[in-house]
Amino acid sequence: DAGVIQSPRHEVTEMGQEVTLRCKPISGHDYLFWYRQTMMRGLELLIYFNNNVPIDDSGMPEDRFSAKMPNASFSTLKIQPSEPRDSAVYFCASSLAGQGAYTEAFFGQGTRLTVV
Amino acid sequence: AQTVTQSQPEMSVQEAETVTLSCTYDTSESDYYLFWYKQPPSRQMILVIRQEAYKQQNATENRFSVNFQKAAKSFSLKISDSQLGDAAMYFCAYRSAGVTQGGSEKLVFGKGTKLTVNP
Repeated sequence: DAGVIQSPRHEVTEMGQEVTLRCKPISGHDYLFWYRQTMMRGLELLIYFNNNVPIDDSGMPEDRFSAKMPNASFSTLKIQPSEPRDSAVYFCASSLAGQGAYTEAFFGQGTRLTVV
Repeated sequence: AQTVTQSQPEMSVQEAETVTLSCTYDTSESDYYLFWYKQPPSRQMILVIRQEAYKQQNATENRFSVNFQKAAKSFSLKISDSQLGDAAMYFCAYRSAGVTQGGSEKLVFGKGTKLTVNP
């Protein structure tokens, strides 16, 4: 398997524009997570899905952020309108359901978003 | 809510020496998992080692080992025979035992420790 695939790897956009980040999880994984990494706040969970259903979106900063998972192999994170404070690295991760530490999360390479 | 604390923002070690990175956590749960992830400059998050809370034996993966003290809620990472390729950010992470036991599948991360390896 190619692992978790995110696109784009880098995105530079102007304030006020819509930004869409994409993620393809590992085939067969039940869970998909979106994390944001900044210097100030570290790695924080934005939202996660189980079998394409959002389970916990309490980390989504505000209504400008939305995430969807239309099928088991694709998810998007959209920011509209974007603001400079949204600049960060956004990670997608996926994992298998079940008990045990071996259901660890596998991460994509992240999307570095810069809003100018 | 669970929290994870890494008290050392930066650490350095000489090549071939041993270094220990600290991590403490706070939880009221009895069953959970702990992880150390490595993030090199490439940005990729790589799992280094994992520990199940119900196991008393400390996990070991080659040059990496942990000292898990459940009562003290401490989970330190020891890197032996440090190599230049070990230079990275290291993140300690906590995960509940899962939704079937009332927990969450999400990972809670510490702020990270930047490890420098000097030749």
